[in-house]
Amino acid sequence: EVQLLESGGGLVQPGGSLRLSCAASGFTFSTYAMTWVRQAPGKGLEWVASVGSDGRATNYADSVKGRFTISRDNSKNTLYLEMNSLRADDTAVYYCANYQCSPSSCSRKYEYWGQGALVTVSS
Amino acid sequence: DIQMTQSPSSLSASVGDRVTITCRASQSISNSLNWYQQKPGKAPNLLIFAASTLQSGVPSRFSGSGSGTDFTLTINSLHPEDFATYFCQQSYSSFVTFGPGTKVDFK
Repeated sequence: EVQLLESGGGLVQPGGSLRLSCAASGFTFSTYAMTWVRQAPGKGLEWVASVGSDGRATNYADSVKGRFTISRDNSKNTLYLEMNSLRADDTAVYYCANYQCSPSSCSRKYEYWGQGALVTVSS
Repeated sequence: DIQMTQSPSSLSASVGDRVTITCRASQSISNSLNWYQQKPGKAPNLLIFAASTLQSGVPSRFSGSGSGTDFTLTINSLHPEDFATYFCQQSYSSFVTFGPGTKVDFK
C-alpha cells in the first residue's frame, strides 16, 4: 500500500524558516518523481515544486522560487521542502504526491497524496 | 504559465441529478487534463486522467471529455457522497496549474 506521510509543519513567524518532510513507503521511491502542492485555508490547490526521481531536475512555482528548495534522499525514501523567508501568504496545508515519468514525458497525475502538513506563518 | 478556469464556481444539485462542470485552459493542452474530487479536511482524490480515462476504483457515473482547451466532467445520477469540490489540473506543462474549483452542494 502506497503511503505518504508529511511532517514538520507548524507555526512560524514571518521571515522564518521551516523544513517539511514526506516519508514514502509502499512503492519504489527512487523511480518516481515527487511534488509538493499546497492549499491555503478555504482556497484552491496550488502546485509548489517538483523534483525528478534522481533529484537532479527541479521546478518551482514563481511564488516560491528563490525561497523554497525541494530535495529528496532516495536512501531514506524521503522528500523534503526547505522553506525560507516565509510570508503570511505561504500559510497553507502542504501535500506531497508522487507521479511517474518516462524518458520522454511525465504523467503529472497525482494518484497518491499524503494527509497534508499545516504551515501557519504569523506573528 | 497555463491558466485554468472552471465554471460554474459552485452549483446546487439533488441526488440523482446529472451534473456537468467545465474547465478551460488558456492554451491548447492536448488531452493532458486531470480531474480531482476533494472533501473537507481530506487530500484530493484523482477521478479522471488524460481527459477521459477513469481512474481505477472510481465509479462509472463519473466521466470526462474534451481536448485542446475545453474539457468537461460529468457526474451521472449524483450520489450523496459526490457532494464535494472538484478541481481540474493541466499536466501538459512542467509548471502544473489547477482550476479554481467547483463546489457541488445540496439544493
